[in-house]
Amino acid sequence: RKEVEQDPGPFNVPEGATVAFNCTYSNSASQSFFWYRQDCRKEPKLLMSVYSSGNEDGRFTAQLNRASQYISLLIRDSKLSDSATYLCVVNVRSNFGNEKLTFGTGTRLTIIP
Amino acid sequence: GAGVSQTPSNKVTEKGKYVELRCDPISGHTALYWYRQSLGQGPEFLIYFQGTGAADDSGLPNDRFFAVRPEGSVSTLKIQRTERGDSAVYLCASSLNGPVTYNEQFFGPGTRLTVL
Repeated sequence: RKEVEQDPGPFNVPEGATVAFNCTYSNSASQSFFWYRQDCRKEPKLLMSVYSSGNEDGRFTAQLNRASQYISLLIRDSKLSDSATYLCVVNVRSNFGNEKLTFGTGTRLTIIP
Repeated sequence: GAGVSQTPSNKVTEKGKYVELRCDPISGHTALYWYRQSLGQGPEFLIYFQGTGAADDSGLPNDRFFAVRPEGSVSTLKIQRTERGDSAVYLCASSLNGPVTYNEQFFGPGTRLTVL
C-alpha cells in the first residue's frame, strides 16, 4: 500500500465549476500536511498547508481529518489557470531531524473553457 | 531573489555511463534535498543534507547513487553505471532549517535524465 494515495484522474471540469480532491495517508505519525501544485514539466510549488481546523485561501479550501487519515482540497469557481497536477504531501520529521516529505502520485486537473 | 537552480536541465546518456547532476540552492538555505520523479508519479525522497553532511540518505535506491555537498552550498548527485530505470526527473529542493516548525522546501526546475 502506498503511503499517500490519490486518485490520479484526470479530472476534466468546466470553467466555473467546483472540484474536490481527496487523499489518504497511512503513516499515523505524519505531522504536517500540504497540497503542492505542479504544472506540466515544471517543479512542484507549495499551494497551501492543511490544518485540522480547515483552512481557506481565496477559492481554495483544505481540510484534514486525522482520525480518518484523510486530506481534501476544494477549488471553487475554477479558472483555466487552475489546470495542473495537485500533489498531496505529508511530512514526518525523521529521526535525523529533517522534514521528510512523502508525495502522492498527484491528481491531474484540466479546466475546460 | 534567485531560486534553486539545477544543471543540466536535460541529460541523455547511455546505459553504463556515469553522470553528475548539480544543484545550487537558495543562498542561506542550510537544508538541501534530492528527489526523483518518475513519469506519472510524485517526487520520491532520495537524500537530505544539513550543511555539508548527508544527514539522511535512506532514500537512495542503491550504492550506484551518491551525493556530496562539500562546502555546504552546491550539491552534486552522482550516478554510476546508469541503468534505463534511472531515467527520471531529478529534483533538488532547499529550505531554511528550524527545530520546531515546518520549513517550506523550494524546488528547482529539475534535471531530466534519460538513459538509453
